Amino acid sequence: DTEVTQTPKHLVMGMTNKKSLKCEQHMGHRAMYWYKQKAKKPPELMFVYSYEKLSINESVPSRFSPECPNSSLLNLHLHALQPEDSALYLCASSRIQGNTEAFFGQGTRLTVV
Amino acid sequence: GQQVMQIPQYQHVQEGEDFTTYCNSSTTLSNIQWYKQRPGGHPVFLIQLVKSGEVKKQKRLTFQFGEAKKNSSLHITATQTTDVGTYFCAGRTSGSRLTFGEGTQLTVNP
Repeated sequence: DTEVTQTPKHLVMGMTNKKSLKCEQHMGHRAMYWYKQKAKKPPELMFVYSYEKLSINESVPSRFSPECPNSSLLNLHLHALQPEDSALYLCASSRIQGNTEAFFGQGTRLTVV
Repeated sequence: GQQVMQIPQYQHVQEGEDFTTYCNSSTTLSNIQWYKQRPGGHPVFLIQLVKSGEVKKQKRLTFQFGEAKKNSSLHITATQTTDVGTYFCAGRTSGSRLTFGEGTQLTVNP
């Protein structure tokens, strides 16, 4: 199984809503990532977890809250988002954090209204 | 901070023509990766280059890493319609962050 599964695929939420994005992989990877991608732009790193511990937070606003409950799961909790937060949110995993290939999920297309 | 510049931003070719995209980094890289993202899809890993001057081939794709480990290129010979998508390079310094270039969007006219 070389898949990274993300749910939901699409999400529309209001600015006062709370929602969560979920990501799962069963490749035994110990590094997991959240990226944000705007249309016609490259993925921008948000968070990195290594061995279930937050390793990198790229100064992401606190309305985005990551969580790594175990080595296979990664969540991104969303609260009080702004319309400019609308984007494709990509989860990725790699064997370890560092010089290994990243496997991306299909992403959650988020629209904030 | 680290910057990875990629050109061209767009490339339109006729099927059968060759295509090349170039990446340049402001700092020396420990490695560089290449990804392809189809329209409406997600990035898919193509290859990783680690050694100075390294050249790797995958069928019609040729990847190069510069001697100074600051630049890289991806060349596709005889493009096909299945090559359509955005090609991203992603460079890594001695730290753990992978910095993506802006991408080159390739369209292929049949």
